[in-house]
Amino acid sequence: DTAVSQTPKYLVTQMGNDKSIKCEQNLGHDTMYWYKQDSKKFLKIMFSYNNKELIINETVPNRFSPKSPDKAHLNLHINSLELGDSAVYFCASSHRGQSQSVLTFGAGSRLTVL
Amino acid sequence: GEDVEQSLFLSVREGDSSVINCTYTDSSSTYLYWYKQEPGAGLQLLTYIFSNMDMKQDQRLTVLLNKKDKHLSLRIADTQTGDSAIYFCAETPDRGSTLGRLYFGRGTQLTVWP
Repeated sequence: DTAVSQTPKYLVTQMGNDKSIKCEQNLGHDTMYWYKQDSKKFLKIMFSYNNKELIINETVPNRFSPKSPDKAHLNLHINSLELGDSAVYFCASSHRGQSQSVLTFGAGSRLTVL
Repeated sequence: GEDVEQSLFLSVREGDSSVINCTYTDSSSTYLYWYKQEPGAGLQLLTYIFSNMDMKQDQRLTVLLNKKDKHLSLRIADTQTGDSAIYFCAETPDRGSTLGRLYFGRGTQLTVWP
């Protein structure tokens, strides 16, 4: 199946821990994103990588570190987790050559920090 | 940041038409989108419209854009119970490296009653 896939789908952890979420796309896209959806469904961009290069970095705490080993993968590592990090994190991808920015989203990774 | 506003809830009877409204503030928006999110799932692109268009129709979906008033609407004809979901309006400005940075509304929860 051609898709954007994220793992894990659910993650429950204690405050202070470090965790990672992985994302892979097999759509041949060159740009990948992390979006955060909070408990009120507000969806906001965090990062974007184009061909492994960081191109968008919103005002996100530096406890969040994205890593793109190749253009098909974009991982998100979070250090010293806080309660406010609880959210659904969506990975997405697109082809930058398209002017209409059509993003394909993954199913989301729900992070719960206790 | 750019503001995108939507009403939070809409309830309709099966077979009726649904109209979901959205307003935005960014006058440089180039593309506007409607995404659908079903429970526990990622965002699925329904349709998008370029800012120089007034209307776009795709089967049961009709998108109307009033650029002067910065108002976007999504009409779903013959609404079915399977259309129950959260509908997100989003826009992107055309500013070079911000391609792919979508600004989302908070979503409208559509409930369809049988």
